[in-house]
Amino acid sequence: AQSVTQPDIHITVSEGASLELRCNYSYGATPYLFWYVQSPGQGLQLLLKYFSGDTLVQGIKGFEAEFKRSQSSFNLRKPSVHWSDAAEYFCAVPPLNSGGYQKVTFGIGTKLQVIP
Amino acid sequence: ETGVTQSPTHLIKTRGQQVTLRCSSQSGHNTVSWYQQALGQGPQFIFQYYREEENGRGNFPPRFSGLQFPNYSSELNVNALELDDSALYLCASSGTGGVTEAFFGQGTRLTVV
Repeated sequence: AQSVTQPDIHITVSEGASLELRCNYSYGATPYLFWYVQSPGQGLQLLLKYFSGDTLVQGIKGFEAEFKRSQSSFNLRKPSVHWSDAAEYFCAVPPLNSGGYQKVTFGIGTKLQVIP
Repeated sequence: ETGVTQSPTHLIKTRGQQVTLRCSSQSGHNTVSWYQQALGQGPQFIFQYYREEENGRGNFPPRFSGLQFPNYSSELNVNALELDDSALYLCASSGTGGVTEAFFGQGTRLTVV
């Protein structure tokens, strides 16, 4: 079964600093990969998605992610973090044999704290 | 175009009781999925409904059941509530025709005491 691993449960960065959140996937073929953000008390919002093609994916809110097959990774990056980016971030992958995109398997999440 | 709405936003139930959570899908979306998110965890897939039929289920017992209505809105029912059922329940809706984005509601926070 496909799965994703987020090795960092909690990350603290200073406002204005760069950010990289790690995600590793386990699947032989090229997977679909997503990053979602969940602000406190909110539902999930899709930041970006990778299906195929360019390995550098641009998303909303200034985020980007790079798919690296050699490292089985899909890390999320932002060059300059804003206080409003404080939230929980989930890497996710849908089962390719599900017949449905929306049966998504989520990682455990990385909680981002932004300090002044 | 309206987004995904869930009701209620919060509720408290007693162990052994039954609960019904509701979800209105985004306009034009015919597929609804439900997820359970325990504290400190990622969302776990419960089941999915397409055209009023369940067409996918995660590792949840039969006391978790659902319905989808002709207008594509959906209900999640949980019988014989247990303390471990305390969680945020998220509904997601999506359309069809290849890979499409799932849109999530704000969730219902269920506390079982």
